[in-house]
Order: sequence, then structure tokens, then C-alpha cells
Amino acid sequence: TQLLEQSPQFLSIQEGENLTVYCNSSSVFSSLQWYRQEPGEGPVLLVTVVTGGEVKKLKRLTFQFGDARKDSSLHITAAQPGDTGLYLCAGVGGTASKLTFGTGTRLQVTL
Amino acid sequence: GAVVSQHPSRVICKSGTSVKIECRSLDFQATTMFWYRQFPKQSLMLMATSNEGSKATYEQGVEKDKFLINHASLTLSTLTVTSAHPEDSSFYICSARGGWAEAFFGQGTRLTVV
Repeated sequence: TQLLEQSPQFLSIQEGENLTVYCNSSSVFSSLQWYRQEPGEGPVLLVTVVTGGEVKKLKRLTFQFGDARKDSSLHITAAQPGDTGLYLCAGVGGTASKLTFGTGTRLQVTL
Repeated sequence: GAVVSQHPSRVICKSGTSVKIECRSLDFQATTMFWYRQFPKQSLMLMATSNEGSKATYEQGVEKDKFLINHASLTLSTLTVTSAHPEDSSFYICSARGGWAEAFFGQGTRLTVV
């Protein structure tokens, strides 16, 4: 079973602070995705990283895929209350390109 | 992005009854659909993968006779929770994928068994 461990599990910060979420696995994935999920809704895709060492930026969010394609990080600069939510990484692999979701990081940004 | 619609969004049923959840791809043909289960404050756990016209592939530990999956068309998959019990109460989410790598998620169904 492929496991994706995220850290931290929970993060409560104030508006304007920076943060980094980590996603680690012992398995290699063909690609890795990051999602944000709000309560009572399905997850929404933020980004897909494919190449080892790849860095992608989405406004204040910076995503990095590890060189060995086993880990990834999400860095948020100047967090805002609208960034509050559950952040999930998901590794893509297998014959059906199944998603294996990470354990999740719950972010709360307060004023 | 493509739209995936799940119905119902919430359902309450009595213990022992069966509940059907629908997952529809509204603007694309979904060759593969996935069903997930999510407990409160936890991540998504894949239950099964279904391809149109063939039997679903269930993940280890998921009872296929309890969670019946049908993917009869390229735009519709259904998950039926049979003889539901309170421990089946959860948030069920589907995702659908067409001829590309990205899968699109439905809005989820909150099932409460009383």
C-alpha cells in the first residue's frame, strides 16, 4: 500500500504569515497533485507536478516536486482567511492512474 | 474544468435500508469513475474504480456486496450502500476521468444512517 504522510496535520496561523506543508512517501509516483477541500464539498485540484524537481507557482502558492518524485511541498506566502481549508496531496500511479491521497493538512487562517 | 454532479448531496436513511448515490459527468464522457469515502477530519480513501461496461475493481477491505457499483454508461456511475448501518455513515465522493489524466470530483454525498 502506498502511503502519503502530510505534515503538519493541523496548522492555525494569522493572516499574513507564511507556511509550508509537506507530503512524503516511500513510493515513487508518476505525478503528484495538490487539492483543497472545503467542508461538505469535494476536493478541488490546485496543481499537478510531473517532473522531479519541478516548481510551479499559483499566485501566492508555490508547489515543488521532489527530485526522486516521492515527496512534495506546498508553500503559501502571506496567508489569507480565504486559504482556510483541508489541503490534500495525492500521488498518481498504477495501471488505472489511481489517486492515493495524503493524510491531509487542515489550515486555519485567522484575522 | 469539467463538471461532475453527485446526487443527492445529503441523505438520511434508516438502518437496514439501501441508498443509491449517483455520479454524473455533465459535459464529458467518463471512461473511469472512482468512489471514495471520507470520515470526519480524515482524508479520502479510495473504495473502488469502475470502467464503463465492466465490473468495478474494489480496494482491499471494501465489501463489494455491500457497496454495489454500476457504471452502465459513459456519463453515469452509481454507488448503492446495501443494508446500511450507522457505521456506514460517512461522506462519499466520486470522481470521473475522461481521456486525459485529470479526474474531476463531485461535490460529495453526506450519508447518515439512523
